[in-house]
Amino acid sequence: AQSVTQPDIHITVSEGASLELRCNYSYGATPYLFWYVQSPGQGLQLLLKYFSGDTLVQGIKGFEAEFKRSQSSFNLRKPSVHWSDAAEYFCAVAIKAAGNKLTFGGGTRVLVKP
Amino acid sequence: GAGVSQSPSNKVTEKGKDVELRCDPISGHTALYWYRQSLGQGLEFLIYFQGNSAPDKSGLPSDRFSAERTGGSVSTLTIQRTQQEDSAVYLCARQQGNYGYTFGSGTRLTVV
Repeated sequence: AQSVTQPDIHITVSEGASLELRCNYSYGATPYLFWYVQSPGQGLQLLLKYFSGDTLVQGIKGFEAEFKRSQSSFNLRKPSVHWSDAAEYFCAVAIKAAGNKLTFGGGTRVLVKP
Repeated sequence: GAGVSQSPSNKVTEKGKDVELRCDPISGHTALYWYRQSLGQGLEFLIYFQGNSAPDKSGLPSDRFSAERTGGSVSTLTIQRTQQEDSAVYLCARQQGNYGYTFGSGTRLTVV
């Protein structure tokens, strides 16, 4: 079965510093890959997604992610975080053969220090 | 989230009672998913509806959970004889086009 691992449960970063969130997936085929953000008390918002093509994907709010097939990874990055980036971030995969349903990682909670 | 309406936003119920959670994808005939997010946990897939196909119920945790979708639009998730471990946020999502998922704001269920 497909699975998604986000190794870091919590990350604390200073405002203005760079951020990288890790995501690894386990599946035989290349899945469709997503990053979502959930701010406190809010719903899920799509940051970016990868289907095919250029392995570096640009998203909203200054985020980007890089797909590395050899490492089965899809890490999320932001060069300079803002206090408003404090939230929980979820990586997700979808496999067409599995009915397109999203399988989510456990999430990474990001705290931003002033 | 815009385009998916869930009600109620909060529900407190006594252990053993039945509850119904509602999802309206607004945009009509799209694929519809239910997920559960327990405190400190990720999102757990529950059930998936797509057109006239039989729903994928593989994620339902027990036979106390059921869902239906009427007319290809509004969906209701029913939990019978609620238990405290059912306390969670229940999220509904619709899918349109090529993996365009839109999530609702969820229903926070608390079983006391």
